[in-house]
Amino acid sequence: QSALTQPASVSGSPGQSITISCTGTSSDVGAYNYVSWYQQHPGKAPKLMIYDVSNRPSGVSNRFSGSKSGNTASLTISGLQAEDEADYYCSSYTTSSTQVFGGGTQLTVL
Amino acid sequence: QVQLVESGGGVVQPGGSLRLSCAASGFTFTSYGMHWVRQVPGKGLEWVAFIRYDGSNRYYADSVKGRFTILRDNSKNTVHLQMNSLRAEDTAVYYCVKDVDFWSGLGNWGQGTLVIVSS
Repeated sequence: QSALTQPASVSGSPGQSITISCTGTSSDVGAYNYVSWYQQHPGKAPKLMIYDVSNRPSGVSNRFSGSKSGNTASLTISGLQAEDEADYYCSSYTTSSTQVFGGGTQLTVL
Repeated sequence: QVQLVESGGGVVQPGGSLRLSCAASGFTFTSYGMHWVRQVPGKGLEWVAFIRYDGSNRYYADSVKGRFTILRDNSKNTVHLQMNSLRAEDTAVYYCVKDVDFWSGLGNWGQGTLVIVSS
């Protein structure tokens, strides 16, 4: 199972919006609405930010939103804040009954 | 609150075995599936294995199939990862993770335990 494709890095200024893409195939992202997104700060465990494409767990800011079109999912962060600077990973359930992650995107808040 | 505490990491020689454990608390353990996910320091995340809430089904990444076994003891609120025939490429931090719902997402993560496979 190949990893999902994410940009290596994205950046934005405080207050701006950014979008991170996550491209898979018809065997993973395109097959189910089981796409999730994770935030990881250096030295910390990942944190779930979005599940089932667009659902936010309790406690996650509504500045974070998710969507999907075909084989590509997206995470949008609006009103960018310094604390959003972190690595972000997408993940999807696959038709092989496994889970696959993207390679990760480093978000820099300028 | 949900707590997941991993243990059992350490240094092991190639070809050796190690058993990781994860003690869960703060939720109804018997209602949730559990995952193991690993991360080579400085690299990305790799899903390793998943076990359903009742242990009835287990799923593995191709990279560990036949070498790793995920197990759970619902009487003790623990999940284990038995790792055999270890290779250098298995060196990573291993996280225990609580499922949101069947494959919906990986909801709560432990702090991880480091496994180093080296001679």
